[in-house]
Amino acid sequence: DGGITQSPKYLFRKEGQNVTLSCEQNLNHDAMYWYRQDPGQGLRLIYYSQIVNDFQKGDIAEGYSVSREKKESFPLTVTSAQKNPTAFYLCASSSKGRRMNTEAFFGQGTRLTVV
Amino acid sequence: QKEVEQDPGPLSVPEGAIVSLNCTYSNSAFQYFMWYRQYSRKGPELLMYTYSSGNKEDGRFTAQVDKSSKYISLFIRDSQPSDSATYLCAMSSDTGRRALTFGSGTRLQVQP
Repeated sequence: DGGITQSPKYLFRKEGQNVTLSCEQNLNHDAMYWYRQDPGQGLRLIYYSQIVNDFQKGDIAEGYSVSREKKESFPLTVTSAQKNPTAFYLCASSSKGRRMNTEAFFGQGTRLTVV
Repeated sequence: QKEVEQDPGPLSVPEGAIVSLNCTYSNSAFQYFMWYRQYSRKGPELLMYTYSSGNKEDGRFTAQVDKSSKYISLFIRDSQPSDSATYLCAMSSDTGRRALTFGSGTRLQVQP
């Protein structure tokens, strides 16, 4: 089945630790995105990538880093510089074409908790 | 002021009711409008997609876009308990940042 796979589903981080969230897609999509969702809030854009080896900061990039070495993969690292990392993280992808970057499809999310 | 405003609800309706969900936005460059449904602790799933102004119907769902008023709506006819979820509007443009901007979501509860 084609889709977007995020792992792990749940992740616990100690204070001062870096953690990496995985996102893999087999939809042959060019663009990939990371969003953060907090209770009662919509999705806020962290980073996005239009093509391999290129990515741009979103609205809340501070304390996060990404890489895009392969078309299928867009991992997100939550660094110790992110002061309030507890949230639900969602990865998405979309195809390139006339309606570029419009119909984005989402993974099932990773719930990160700081302990 | 947020670029996209959406009433968080919760909105509670009886089964069979017509539901109206709405978003307003400030960026006149937005041309692509989407509605996503999100069940608790799950990723959002795309419900409806509309380009520019007009209406689009898909089964019990109708999406409307009024660009002159910067206002979009999602109507759900004959609502079912399985429609209980959070509904997120999202939009994007061909210029500037190529990524979706989301509303905060409206939580809907359909009572059996």
